[in-house]
Amino acid sequence: KQEVTQIPAALSVPEGENLVLNCSFTDSAIYNLQWFRQDPGKGLTSLLLIQSSQREQTSGRLNASLDKSSGRSTLYIAASQPGDSATYLCAVRPHTGFQKLVFGTGTRLLVSP
Amino acid sequence: NAGVTQTPKFQVLKTGQSMTLQCAQDMNHEYMSWYRQDPGMGLRLIHYSVGAGITDQGEVPNGYNVSRSTTEDFPLRLLSAAPSQTSVYFCASSYEATGLETQYFGPGTRLLVL
Repeated sequence: KQEVTQIPAALSVPEGENLVLNCSFTDSAIYNLQWFRQDPGKGLTSLLLIQSSQREQTSGRLNASLDKSSGRSTLYIAASQPGDSATYLCAVRPHTGFQKLVFGTGTRLLVSP
Repeated sequence: NAGVTQTPKFQVLKTGQSMTLQCAQDMNHEYMSWYRQDPGMGLRLIHYSVGAGITDQGEVPNGYNVSRSTTEDFPLRLLSAAPSQTSVYFCASSYEATGLETQYFGPGTRLLVL
């Protein structure tokens, strides 16, 4: 059964710092991995989607990498800002039961001014 | 485009009551799904649909019904609410029926069952 783990559960950094959020999954048989942002009381906003054949995707200050063989993904946020404060979720699309995304429980990020 | 919309935003029910959570999208997406989010757990798939008239069960379907009479709408029905169904419910959609592309989520419905 595919399981997704995100460490740390919470992270607090000062503004301007570069940071890395980690996501690990137990089964490398995936179609893709997606990173989401969730603000309190709000829905999920898709940040980056990495297909299984890709190694990384970039959008602005965000860079996500995927190492499928080791079951790991990282989300790198450059020059963090208070507006980046949110919960970041990663989710994989497994080959078995591909109709569902398997989510981690998220990393809650607080960026202080 | 309004994207994915959900109503209501918040609802309180008593045990045994029924209700329908509404979800609509205006992006002509084939794939739609319902997830629930509980504290300390990742989002879990309840039901999904790959097109009008086609629905299937996800990971936690018990106590919920769905239908897809149009491409735009995918309501979730709670037949007889239980406290265990207290959760935040999210509707999601994507363009192709495979659901393998970027998923777009609605703002959620927060449900409290007393």
